[in-house]
Amino acid sequence: GAVVSQHPSRVICKSGTSVKIECRSLDFQATTMFWYRQFPKQSLMLMATSNEGSKATYEQGVEKDKFLINHASLTLSTLTVTSAHPEDSSFYICSARDSSGVQETQYFGPGTRLLVL
Amino acid sequence: KQEVTQIPAALSVPEGENLVLNCSFTDSAIYNLQWFRQDPGKGLTSLLLIQSSQREQTSGRLNASLDKSSGRSTLYIAASQPGDSATYLCAGNTDKLIFGTGTRLQVFP
Repeated sequence: GAVVSQHPSRVICKSGTSVKIECRSLDFQATTMFWYRQFPKQSLMLMATSNEGSKATYEQGVEKDKFLINHASLTLSTLTVTSAHPEDSSFYICSARDSSGVQETQYFGPGTRLLVL
Repeated sequence: KQEVTQIPAALSVPEGENLVLNCSFTDSAIYNLQWFRQDPGKGLTSLLLIQSSQREQTSGRLNASLDKSSGRSTLYIAASQPGDSATYLCAGNTDKLIFGTGTRLQVFP
C-alpha cells in the first residue's frame, strides 16, 4: 500500500528555536496533505490543509505565523514550528491524499514527537 | 462544523467478549467514515473505511456499520483478544477528516 513518511520521528529542542517537520508521499503524488496535532490522551486535531502550490488553509485557532506550512512539490509538505515553546510539545501527524484511484484515500505518516524544553 | 463523538471513552473487558464501539457525527454530508487503531505512542493504523453509499464493512473479527441519516457508526469487535488493546478512533470525511474523541480499549487475559 501507499506509504507516507515523516522526518524526524522525534525531536527535542530548546524553547525559542524553530523546528521543521517533513512529510513525504513515497509512491504517489499528493496535491493535498493535512497536518494534525495530538496531545497526550487526546484525539487528533486538524491544524491545517496543505495545498501544493498555494497557501495552506488553517483551522480556527491555529496561528498561521507560528505553524508555517510549505507544500512546494507533489510529494513533500513541511511544517515549521517557529519559536517553539513547551506548550507546543505534542505529537504531529501528517496525512496525504491519494486521488489517483477510483476512490480517494488518505494515508497517514507515523508521526513526529516534539518535545520543547 | 463537523463534530465527532465516541462512546464509551474507555472500556476494559476480559478477553473473549464481543464489543461495540460507538461513533456519532453531526454533519451527515460525509464522503466516508473510517475507523483507525492507535497503539500508545504510535501512529494510526487504518482498520475499515465505509463509503457514504455503503452500510457496513467487514475485516476479520471487525465489522463497521454506517447510518448516515442518524449520524452514527459502530465498530463491532468479535471475540476480543488482549492484542486488541489500543485506542480506537473514528473519523468522518467531509473533504477533510475530522476525528472523534477516541475509545481506549483494554482487553485483559
